[in-house]
Amino acid sequence: KAGVTQTPRYLIKTRGQQVTLSCSPISGHRSVSWYQQTPGQGLQFLFEYFSETQRNKGNFPGRFSGRQFSNSRSEMNVSTLELGDSALYLCASSFRVNAEAFFGQGTRLTVV
Amino acid sequence: EDKVVQSPLSLVVHEGDTVTLNCSYEVTNFRSLLWYKQEKKAPTFLFMLTSSGIEKKSGRLSSILDKKELFSILNITATQTGDSAVYLCAVLPSSMFYGAGSYQLTFGKGTKLSVIP
Repeated sequence: KAGVTQTPRYLIKTRGQQVTLSCSPISGHRSVSWYQQTPGQGLQFLFEYFSETQRNKGNFPGRFSGRQFSNSRSEMNVSTLELGDSALYLCASSFRVNAEAFFGQGTRLTVV
Repeated sequence: EDKVVQSPLSLVVHEGDTVTLNCSYEVTNFRSLLWYKQEKKAPTFLFMLTSSGIEKKSGRLSSILDKKELFSILNITATQTGDSAVYLCAVLPSSMFYGAGSYQLTFGKGTKLSVIP
């Protein structure tokens, strides 16, 4: 079956702009979580959605937001981009709370 | 705050060597510990450990969890150049403390393994 799909794969944006990233989970997976990966901080949890509801949010500013649709696809949005937002954004889906999570290929965001 | 510490941060070995990667953790209400391999972008799932003392194996890789001492190890025997990657350890807390059924992984910084021919 198809894995977790993230689009786009690469993005270059200018400071102050906003960006929307998309994630399609594995079929049947209703939990979708987002992570930011940078060389200095490693992988950090952004937020998690289940059945269109945000269940948990990491320690990131309000400029980072997300949503989940009825087909479990999820989007995350970053507004007023800053240079420090440059990172690999990874999405993961899981079937249930005590199962492993599978990751997408990520979106590499560069803010200039 | 949940915390995961991996050691060493980097490791260079020759093909055929055996390596042991370490992961220690502090987590409120532990549920599971997971190992991932990250070569380029997508971390790929290796093991999920929930019970102490039960070794999980997949080919040349194996892992075990010690819930009393709060650590896990990942062993790779007869290493190959294709094992070169960053190995990530993550903990998954029980959802009871993070909202109904919430799924949140806390990752360590990873161990970068380089296998040279």
